[in-house]
Amino acid sequence: NAGVTQTPKFRVLKTGQSMTLLCAQDMNHEYMYWYRQDPGMGLRLIHYSVGEGTTAKGEVPDGYNVSRLKKQNFLLGLESAAPSQTSVYFCASSYGTSGRSSSYEQYFGPGTRLTVT
Amino acid sequence: GQNIDQPTEMTATEGAIVQINCTYQTSGFNGLFWYQQHAGEAPTFLSYNVLDGLEEKGRFSSFLSRSKGYSYLLLKELQMKDSASYLCAVTTRGGSTLGRLYFGRGTQLTVWP
Repeated sequence: NAGVTQTPKFRVLKTGQSMTLLCAQDMNHEYMYWYRQDPGMGLRLIHYSVGEGTTAKGEVPDGYNVSRLKKQNFLLGLESAAPSQTSVYFCASSYGTSGRSSSYEQYFGPGTRLTVT
Repeated sequence: GQNIDQPTEMTATEGAIVQINCTYQTSGFNGLFWYQQHAGEAPTFLSYNVLDGLEEKGRFSSFLSRSKGYSYLLLKELQMKDSASYLCAVTTRGGSTLGRLYFGRGTQLTVWP
């Protein structure tokens, strides 16, 4: 199993450009998440999904959109990139549906390092 | 809202024992996770507590007191490779927040030889 994979690993954008980050998981997980991590700020949730075709806002959703058309994929879009979106982006997934709180253990992808100039 | 607090930095020497504390104030508490994150890498799962008490897993143990809103991660026989950031995260039950983890800002542990 590859677990959680993210594409691309690194990217440099100019202000105003758009891009899509792709997250894929092969563990048949129901729940998927996008976080950003900045120095001193910890992991902050951008958007998440509790199943195919569903999405919900997290703590810092502004400037981002997401889609979950297939259960194994979760896409994060930046329509018009800004320097404030320079960050490391992590995708994660969890089983999520058994009702036991341990099923919410999240498995993380390797991250995407995005720089917006 | 959820409030999770842990020290920003800690240092210790190889072979020693270190305790990393985490306090939380959250509605609908339903479990606490500890993750380890090495520089430039993804967080990886270390431990999970939902009931009061100590969970031991090799050199690492995690303790939870639900009544006090308190947890700690205990690392024994420290090794250089234990230098990393340790993240405390809580999960809540039900409603719109089901399945979310609320992370603290992490404790950067440096192990010296």
